[in-house]
Amino acid sequence: ELKVEQNPLFLSMQEGKNYTIYCNYSTTSDRLYWYRQDPGKSLESLFVLLSNGAVKQEGRLMASLDTKARLSTLHITAAVHDLSATYFCAVDPAGDDKIIFGKGTRLHILP
Amino acid sequence: EPEVTQTPSHQVTQMGQEVILRCVPISNHLYFYWYRQILGQKVEFLVSFYNNEISEKSEIFDDQFSVERPDGSNFTLKIRSTKLEDSAMYFCASRGMNTEAFFGQGTRLTVV
Repeated sequence: ELKVEQNPLFLSMQEGKNYTIYCNYSTTSDRLYWYRQDPGKSLESLFVLLSNGAVKQEGRLMASLDTKARLSTLHITAAVHDLSATYFCAVDPAGDDKIIFGKGTRLHILP
Repeated sequence: EPEVTQTPSHQVTQMGQEVILRCVPISNHLYFYWYRQILGQKVEFLVSFYNNEISEKSEIFDDQFSVERPDGSNFTLKIRSTKLEDSAMYFCASRGMNTEAFFGQGTRLTVV
């Protein structure tokens, strides 16, 4: 069964710093998603990564995918308080039907 | 941009009551899903639906749960006799053949 592991699960960091969230998965994947979720809110789609070497950037967030290593990263550049949220990666396995989510990384950015 | 629509956004129900959560997937999508997220926890797969039948379900999706696509546009999740532990956010998702999945805004179910 597909396993999706995110780390760290909790991250507290200062504004202005850079950091990376990692998402490892255990089988081949058609797509990898990154979502943001604010407390009590819905899932906000950030990125969909389709192919090996894919890199997408939006503002201070950049996501990449290495299908050979079965690894995706979400990099935060010069963090600001507004980026405080929980970030989920989710994997769409090749040939399978369902998307599997990681446990999420709760990001807390201190002003 | 097309979107998946869920209603209601919040439902409060008494324990033991039946609830139906509704979803309107993106038209021309073929695959439909329900997920559950207990407050503060991960998003868990419940069930997938394709070609008018369940294609896969998780161990969470027991006999208390059922899904239906009654009229070709709506996709519903029914919980027959709600328990306190069914309190969660429920997300519907849909996708086409070889396309990305789109999630709805969720229904927050509170069982009291």
